[in-house]
Amino acid sequence: QVQLVQSGAEVKKPGASVKVSCKASGYTFTSYDINWVRQATGQGLEWMGWMNPNSGNTGYAQKFQGRVTMTRNTSISTAYMELSSLRSEDTAVYYCARVRGWYYFDYWGQGTLVTVSS
Amino acid sequence: DIQMTQSPSSLSASVGDRVTITCQASQDISNYLNWYQQKPGKAPKLLIYDASNLETGVPSRFSGSGSGTDFTFTISSLQPEDIATYYCQQYDNLPRTFGPGTKVDIK
Repeated sequence: QVQLVQSGAEVKKPGASVKVSCKASGYTFTSYDINWVRQATGQGLEWMGWMNPNSGNTGYAQKFQGRVTMTRNTSISTAYMELSSLRSEDTAVYYCARVRGWYYFDYWGQGTLVTVSS
Repeated sequence: DIQMTQSPSSLSASVGDRVTITCQASQDISNYLNWYQQKPGKAPKLLIYDASNLETGVPSRFSGSGSGTDFTFTISSLQPEDIATYYCQQYDNLPRTFGPGTKVDIK
């Protein structure tokens, strides 16, 4: 069965970077885009960007341009999202999601809580 | 960016009631709209894609309709396990944007 398993919770200081992993299983990793979505506590869903695991091509929301980098390691079927220059407003649960068709998020990771605090 | 609005922001209904949520896009998005259900502490779950297609395994009491700028999501007979927040999401353009969500609970 398809699964996306994310890395554990992180606590970071303002100005630091965080790298969240998303390990895929149960399907061919390079056949489906991975997107990242975040959710601050009690807030809605915010799309961050996409990555094609086959080509490594990426696209980011304007809001995160220059601060976010999405990469992958195809040998271990894992996608990564790195966010730099962290500030308190980046405190949120970060989700990876697989894309099926044009353009549905059909499987999601369990979420990774990133807390930014001095 | 395409702005998505939803109404109401929250609602309370009785078990067995018909529940309707509306979603409006700031420009024509054809039928490029999905609906997700999110329960507390859990990841969102895809319910409806392409505005009206029911995802495999999702109960038939859930349905969606609409095209262009105006969309509707319906639960035909509310069940206790449907307590959740529901989000619409457009994929006509980048960035993919979500509505603010509609919280549904039991009266």
